[in-house]
Amino acid sequence: DVKVTQSSRYLVKRTGEKVFLECVQDMDHENMFWYRQDPGLGLRLIYFSYDVKMKEKGDIPEGYSVSREKKERFSLILESASTNQTSMYLCASSPAAGWYGYTFGSGTRLTVV
Amino acid sequence: KQEVTQIPAALSVPEGENLVLNCSFTDSAIYNLQWFRQDPGKGLTSLLLIQSSQREQTSGRLNASLDKSSGRSTLYIAASQPGDSATYLCAVSPSLDSNYQLIWGAGTKLIIKP
Repeated sequence: DVKVTQSSRYLVKRTGEKVFLECVQDMDHENMFWYRQDPGLGLRLIYFSYDVKMKEKGDIPEGYSVSREKKERFSLILESASTNQTSMYLCASSPAAGWYGYTFGSGTRLTVV
Repeated sequence: KQEVTQIPAALSVPEGENLVLNCSFTDSAIYNLQWFRQDPGKGLTSLLLIQSSQREQTSGRLNASLDKSSGRSTLYIAASQPGDSATYLCAVSPSLDSNYQLIWGAGTKLIIKP
């Protein structure tokens, strides 16, 4: 019954590496989102996408990029990982008309060393 | 600018008690409000979604109410159990056109003592 799948639960990467976080949803949702969550700072929106190949910056896009080549898949890319990007990353999706709200994935705990 | 506040930040109650979690928002022009649960180190699980035209939603022991005019929502948990221990977050969707983004509260960390 899994609907939003994040490819990794835990990830350890080295400073300067290029990192890909993958998110796949099977609900045919138009909107997809990437958040990061840090203690004391809550949930912060990095990027979102409302259609294939479309993307919009959220509150904290610096150091990140995204890709949405297919409707079901939304990738978050850390071009050159840094230690301050150590965080919990959460992917979510929602239909275009917000009747059903958001569905989240189980999260990826990324540690950059 | 819409702001969402959850008070208290943490709550500890004995097992079996009924309890209420609060969520307030500054702008009553919302499209919907959603309550989530998050277990430590995990993603968010949607609990209840209330549309702006609705007054409440129920799921099992959970009941969420919405009073737009006063800018408040409450999540009522009946007969609390240790398994209810988690952080509870509320989020509002500002408008139909803004469903791209939610405005989040900081959450209430709930501990149910056996």
